[in-house]
Parts: sequence; structure tokens; C-alpha cells
Amino acid sequence: EAAVTQSPRNKVTVTGGNVTLSCRQTNSHNYMYWYRQDTGHGLRLIHYSYGAGNLQIGDVPDGYKATRTTQEDFFLLLELASPSQTSLYFCASSDSGTVNERLFFGHGTKLSVL
Amino acid sequence: GDSVTQTEGPVTVSESESLIINCTYSATSIAYPNLFWYVRYPGEGLQLLLKVITAGQKGSSRGFEATYNKETTSFHLQKASVQESDSAVYYCALGPSNYNVLYFGSGTKLTVEP
Repeated sequence: EAAVTQSPRNKVTVTGGNVTLSCRQTNSHNYMYWYRQDTGHGLRLIHYSYGAGNLQIGDVPDGYKATRTTQEDFFLLLELASPSQTSLYFCASSDSGTVNERLFFGHGTKLSVL
Repeated sequence: GDSVTQTEGPVTVSESESLIINCTYSATSIAYPNLFWYVRYPGEGLQLLLKVITAGQKGSSRGFEATYNKETTSFHLQKASVQESDSAVYYCALGPSNYNVLYFGSGTKLTVEP
């Protein structure tokens, strides 16, 4: 079964803090995604990538950077965290860019910005 | 825009009762949307429950069914007899057929009581 591992599972930081969320997939998938989910909202796409060194902007990219260092690893960076970024973050991977290919998700990272 | 609206939770039902979770969609920029139900069990990441890519067709998995109704722009999730193990958060989603960016609903938390 495809595996996507996120770390940390929980993170608390202060306003203005620097946070890095990590995601590793062992599926040999080309595509990786970062979503956030807030109460009352669906998952919203922040950034995605179709390979090492590639980055595509999603629907809610403001305040986030991301970097795909290898096929396996995709990082989400919050350089000046704000309380509005308190959320549940999901990483996902898929083999291709077509929607018929299902997404494999990590367990999520709960981030609190105080 | 493109969006999904689903039953607001939480929803609580008793074991062996029937279930319906409503999902309606708006696909203004997607000519032929594909529709999905994802599920997140406690402590796990989201996983695909079922998908339907053709209007008028029905998808099924683990006793759940959903029919893609283009006329009513709906994709309701149904199960005739739920089990305690069905307790989870259910997400409806849509996406274009040629591009793996999904639009998710806000999720419906289901609790099945013994």
C-alpha cells in the first residue's frame, strides 16, 4: 500500500515563527500536494509539484512556500507564521496528474499559531 | 466557481440504520467533472472510498453507493445499514478529468452508535 508520512503530527508556534512541515512518500509518485483544512471549509490546495525541483501554485498559496527536494520529499514552509495559518495540513501524492489517479494522503499535521 | 457543498455534521446514527450524506456540486469551469468520496478514519489520512467519472453512473464500495446525477448536480452517499466501523469523516470532491486538482467539501463527521 502506498505510504505518505508527514512530520511532525502536531506543532505549536508563535506569531512570526518559522515552521517547516515535512512530507515523504515512498510510492515513487510524481505528484505531491499540500492541502489545508479549516473548520467549515473543504481541503484547499496550497501548492503542488510534479517532480523534484518543480513547484506549482495552488488556490491558497499566500504566506506559504514549498520545495520539492527529491521525488520523495516535499516541504511546506511558513516563514512568518500567523494565527490565520492555524489549520490541519495534509500532504498527498499521486502517480500522474490526471484526476482518475487517486490521491494517497498522509495522516495530517495539526499546526497551531499562537 | 467550482465547489462542493455537503451535509454539515456531525451526523449520528445507530448501527444498522440507513445513512445518506448529501453532496451537491457546482462545476462552472469544468466541462465533465469527475466525482469522488474520500473517507478519513480516526487517526488516519484520507483515502478514496469511491469515484464516478460518468454522469448517470453509480459507484460503490464497502456497502456505500453514490450516483452521479448531472441534472440535480448531486452525488449523495448512501448506505443501507451502517456499522460502528463506518464512523469517520466523509468528504465529497470533484475535479476535471484531465487535471489532478480536486475541490473538496468541508467533510461530514459520522458517528455510528452501537
